[in-house]
Amino acid sequence: DADVTQTPRNRITKTGKRIMLECSQTKGHDRMYWYRQDPGLGLRLIYYSFDVKDINKGEISDGYSVSRQAQAKFSLSLESAIPNQTALYFCATSDLRATGTGNEQFFGPGTRLTVL
Amino acid sequence: AQSVTQLDSHVSVSEGTPVLLRCNYSSSYSPSLFWYVQHPNKGLQLLLKYTSAATLVKGINGFEAEFKKSETSFHLTKPSAHMSDAAEYFCVVIPRTNFGNEKLTFGTGTRLTIIP
Repeated sequence: DADVTQTPRNRITKTGKRIMLECSQTKGHDRMYWYRQDPGLGLRLIYYSFDVKDINKGEISDGYSVSRQAQAKFSLSLESAIPNQTALYFCATSDLRATGTGNEQFFGPGTRLTVL
Repeated sequence: AQSVTQLDSHVSVSEGTPVLLRCNYSSSYSPSLFWYVQHPNKGLQLLLKYTSAATLVKGINGFEAEFKKSETSFHLTKPSAHMSDAAEYFCVVIPRTNFGNEKLTFGTGTRLTIIP
């Protein structure tokens, strides 16, 4: 879905390196999310942001940090990458106005990160 | 709190035969429920969603799901499988509140294989 873009799409790095994954959206949504996907575990929430001044930890935030630079941009950083952070990372957005009606999330294409 | 259990990690069916992917949920509030599909090397796409209207929900590509409160289930079905249906499917629950802080909970996924 071109409305939510992620860069890079693939990245190979070494243990200890700092990595930033970027997400941009043109949907005009307030809410943005970062997930990681591991085989057999589904998607797990790392961080989420309900607006530019709001940042919240998800269920697996250790080892990660985020920055909401603007409504349309939400970056995920690995300060010192380790091999068990090898995973597929997804950014998603949702519309604040859909609260209470089951707000669908719209996903980017994913970033495949490998930490050697 | 909420949780999702996808009862089968892998389902194989022959082309032209029915598909059944099973999902059970628990939620402290009335839930909204979603099925997402992920094709190889792609992001997640919404198949269908239940948000308290009709209990039988029709989605894209001939899929449908029925919300059964008494059984806490939201199974995904399709009358006739097509080769293009081969993908991973995720059942997702979100509590339907008006607090504004709902988050999705993903099942661990079911990989659907279509046998020619």
